[in-house]
Order: sequence, then structure tokens, then C-alpha cells
Amino acid sequence: EVQLVESGGGLVKPGGSLRLSCAASGFTFSSYSMNWVRQAPGKGLEWVSSISSSSSYIYYADSVKGRFTISRDNAKNSLYLQMNSLRAEDTAVYYCARATELRAAFDIWGQGTMVTVSS
Amino acid sequence: QLVLTQSPSASASLGASVKLTCTLSSGHSSYAIAWHQQQPEKGPRYLMKLNSDGSHSKGDGIPDRFSGSSSGAERYLTISSLQSEDEADYYCQTWGTGIHVFGTGTKVTVL
Repeated sequence: EVQLVESGGGLVKPGGSLRLSCAASGFTFSSYSMNWVRQAPGKGLEWVSSISSSSSYIYYADSVKGRFTISRDNAKNSLYLQMNSLRAEDTAVYYCARATELRAAFDIWGQGTMVTVSS
Repeated sequence: QLVLTQSPSASASLGASVKLTCTLSSGHSSYAIAWHQQQPEKGPRYLMKLNSDGSHSKGDGIPDRFSGSSSGAERYLTISSLQSEDEADYYCQTWGTGIHVFGTGTKVTVL
């Protein structure tokens, strides 16, 4: 079964850091681009970051550029999001999602992990 | 600027059809999009990729009740024979070089 499972969410104070992980299974992880998307409580979906299959290309939304870092370990079938200098507005459910290439639809989604930034 | 516009809500009776619209911003009418469904308290689910010529490819297990079509800058998702489980938020997504964009979503209510 093709599956993405996020972990690492939790409660963190403003200015703090958190690292999210996404474990992939059921497909050849190294052949796909991967993405992070977030959803603030009661709001819509917001694209956060994308990484190509070999990590050669990396993109970020302006709202997280300079604070978040996306990475992957193809040997471990895992995707990561290092989040630094967190703000209250980063509070959201974070989803990882698969795409066949960087410019493509997200065709598999995880169930999400909640990040709450609050003092 | 790449923007997708969706109506906030739509409704139809059980067993009827509903047609959702996603409009691409000026200058982007040739772009493909994807439709995603998000049921309450769940993660999104990919429904289909929809091209500018109306051709589409659906995700695994997506019922035939879901279909897509295109006209100019507008992309449509039609849900036929509405079921109670179709009550959800529906998002369109598109992409460019180094960017992905989501519409604001349409909440579908089954009456």
C-alpha cells in the first residue's frame, strides 16, 4: 500500500524549532518529488516547500523562506522539514505529499501532523 | 501572478449533480490543474489531474461519478449521483516553476 506518514508535530514556543518527518512506503521514494503543505485551523491548503527526487531543486513559499529547510534521505525513504524561528502564524496541520515531478499534481497525501506555536 | 479562484460553497440534493468551478488567473488559461477532496477531519485526497483540453486522469479508486472538464481558463469538477460521503471541501491546485498554488476551496453540502 502506498503510504505517507508524518510525525514530529507538537507544541512549541514562538521562536522555537521543530523537525517534521514523513515516512514513505509502498513506492520507489527516490523517483518522486516531495512536498510539504500546511493548513491553519479552519483555513485552506497552503503550499510550503518542494524538493526534487535527487534534492537538486528545492523551493519554498515566501512565508517560510529563510526559516524552514526541506530535505530528504532516499536511503531511509524519508522526507523532513526543519522549522526554525517559528511564529504563531505557522500553527497548522502539516501534510507531506508526493508528486511525479516538481511541476505536477500531488497524487498521494499523508494524514498530517499538528504544529502549534504558542507561549 | 498565478491565482486560482473558487466559489466558497455549493450544495445539491442527495442523488443529484453538482458542478464546481476553478478559474485560472489571466495569462494562465493553458495550465493544468488537479482536484483534491478533503472530508471533515481528514487529510486531502487526490481526485484527478485536469488538462486545458478537458482530458483528465483520475486517481486510484476514484468513482466514475467524479468527472472533469475545461473551458478557457475555467476548470470544472462535476460530481454526479451525490452521496452523503461527498460532503467535503474541494480544492484545486496548479503549479509553475518553483511554485504550487491552491484555490481557496469549495465546501459542498449534500442536502
